[in-house]
Amino acid sequence: KQEVTQIPAALSVPEGENLVLNCSFTDSAIYNLQWFRQDPGKGLTSLLLIQSSQREQTSGRLNASLDKSSGRSTLYIAASQPGDSATYLCAVIGLPQGGSEKLVFGKGTKLTVNP
Amino acid sequence: NAGVMQNPRHLVRRRGQEARLRCSPMKGHSHVYWYRQLPEEGLKFMVYLQKENIIDESGMPKERFSAEFPKEGPSILRIQQVVRGDSAAYFCASSLRTVSESSGANVLTFGAGSRLTVL
Repeated sequence: KQEVTQIPAALSVPEGENLVLNCSFTDSAIYNLQWFRQDPGKGLTSLLLIQSSQREQTSGRLNASLDKSSGRSTLYIAASQPGDSATYLCAVIGLPQGGSEKLVFGKGTKLTVNP
Repeated sequence: NAGVMQNPRHLVRRRGQEARLRCSPMKGHSHVYWYRQLPEEGLKFMVYLQKENIIDESGMPKERFSAEFPKEGPSILRIQQVVRGDSAAYFCASSLRTVSESSGANVLTFGAGSRLTVL
């Protein structure tokens, strides 16, 4: 059974800092790994998707890496801004078995960037 | 394209009543997924549907919960005889292709969620 763990559960940093969020998963048989952002009372916004054959993806100040063999991913946020404050969720989708296409989520890292 | 639309955004029910949550996927998307987020918990998969078919309902509680995605109209998640433990945020997502069809490149688009409170 796939399990996804995110560390730390919460993080508070001053504006301008570079930071790393960690995600680990127990089963390396995945199709892809995704990072989402969730703002309070709102839905999820997809930030980056890394296919199993890829090592990293970049979008603006965000960089996500994937080490499938060790079951780890990191999300690097450069030059953090108060607007980055949100909960960041990591999710993996396993190789489909019998048509299953479900994402397995971690509990998230709640990030606060202080001005 | 308005994205994935969920309604109602907030729903309050008393124990024993029924809750119906609606999800209109993005235009052209025929794959719909429902997830539940309990307080202080991560999102948990509930059900995956394609038009008129339930593909995977392994995350649905065996009783009181049902889901449909008819040929015309939105997908509906129905909870009968609600209990306080059903209080949660229910999220719907849609995609254009399956994971295998897109070689793992599919992106799910999530709605803003429906927040159910059971009194």
